Amino acid sequence: NAGVTQTPKFRVLKTGQSMTLLCAQDMNHEYMYWYRQDPGMGLRLIHYSVGEGTTAKGEVPDGYNVSRLKKQNFLLGLESAAPSQTSVYFCASSYLRQGQYFGPGTRLTVT
Amino acid sequence: TQLLEQSPQFLSIQEGENLTVYCNSSSVFSSLQWYRQEPGEGPVLLVTVVTGGEVKKLKRLTFQFGDARKDSSLHITAAQTGDTGLYLCAGVGSGGSNYKLTFGKGTLLTVNP
Repeated sequence: NAGVTQTPKFRVLKTGQSMTLLCAQDMNHEYMYWYRQDPGMGLRLIHYSVGEGTTAKGEVPDGYNVSRLKKQNFLLGLESAAPSQTSVYFCASSYLRQGQYFGPGTRLTVT
Repeated sequence: TQLLEQSPQFLSIQEGENLTVYCNSSSVFSSLQWYRQEPGEGPVLLVTVVTGGEVKKLKRLTFQFGDARKDSSLHITAAQTGDTGLYLCAGVGSGGSNYKLTFGKGTLLTVNP
């Protein structure tokens, strides 16, 4: 099993550009999450999904959109990137209230 | 809003020493999880504690959940250089939010040879 994979691993964007981060899991988990991790701020939840076709806002959803068209995939979109979105993005999945499995992260720089 | 405070924020020790990391909140959590994150990687789940007063051991690591389920501690015995990393605690909310985690900001542990 690959667990949770994220694409791409690194990306540099210019302000105003758009991009989509892809997360895939092969553990048949219902729940999936997108976090961002910034120095001194810890992990903050952006959006999450409790099942195929459902999404909900987390703690810091502004500037991001998500989609969960297939159970195994969770996409995070930035429509118009801003320097404040420079961060490391982590996707995670879980089975109900059990521990979350994290991907390796995507390091995004917006100039 | 549920908050988790971890202390200390940074810890640098010599190999062979013992250490304790704390995770405190004014809120009650249905369970609490501990993760370790190494540079350039995602967090990895170490343990989940569910019952107030519960103690779990993972080799040299001992995890305890407070009786009131508001706090937790991680004790490492005879630390090794391989224990270096960012230790994160995360609380699982109760009721309708029981699939979302509230993360502490972490304790960055450096074990020197």
